[in-house]
Amino acid sequence: GENVEQHPSTLSVQEGDSAVIKCTYSDSASNYFPWYKQELGKRPQLIIDIRSNVGEKKDQRIAVTLNKTAKHFSLHITETQPEDSAVYFCAAGYNAGNMLTFGGGTRLMVKP
Amino acid sequence: GAVVSQHPSRVICKSGTSVKIECRSLDFQATTMFWYRQFPKQSLMLMATSNEGSKATYEQGVEKDKFLINHASLTLSTLTVTSAHPEDSSFYICSARDSGVQGGYTFGSGTRLTVV
Repeated sequence: GENVEQHPSTLSVQEGDSAVIKCTYSDSASNYFPWYKQELGKRPQLIIDIRSNVGEKKDQRIAVTLNKTAKHFSLHITETQPEDSAVYFCAAGYNAGNMLTFGGGTRLMVKP
Repeated sequence: GAVVSQHPSRVICKSGTSVKIECRSLDFQATTMFWYRQFPKQSLMLMATSNEGSKATYEQGVEKDKFLINHASLTLSTLTVTSAHPEDSSFYICSARDSGVQGGYTFGSGTRLTVV
């Protein structure tokens, strides 16, 4: 089955700096890679996703890159703000709406 | 947008008792529901996939007799933790397949189960 590794597990940055979270996956059949933000005790919120036919996608301060050959994808947050502090999960699956395998999560702390 | 209502949000139960968690899709038909478990500071682990009108498919290592899943209608899926023990204490969250939203999923709000 699919295995998703996520690094780092914790990340502390100064407000205004950039944050990068990286994930690798094992199943070459996976073609859908979402990123979720989860605040304590709340449901995960989809922040951005990318499909395997695209190498990069950007939405304001958030961008995701995908390297299919190397089977890794990354989340980039620029100009971080304290409200970006949360746990971020990457995931991999086959087509949107099917089973997802989640990475271990990254606790991002943005210091004011 | 699509909403999945999950209840209860928090529950405390005694060891040996059973707890039922409900997930309802409020404005769409959820033919498929995924049930996840999340331990503190850990990731979401898929427990099972339930399809309306058929038996749930459990992930390896998940006891089907302990975690009973019922998906009897297109808008309701339930997870019953039977004979709960303290090690079952966790955050349980459902997500429904919904082709009408970005990502194809709508998550419930989660249930924090504490077994004492």
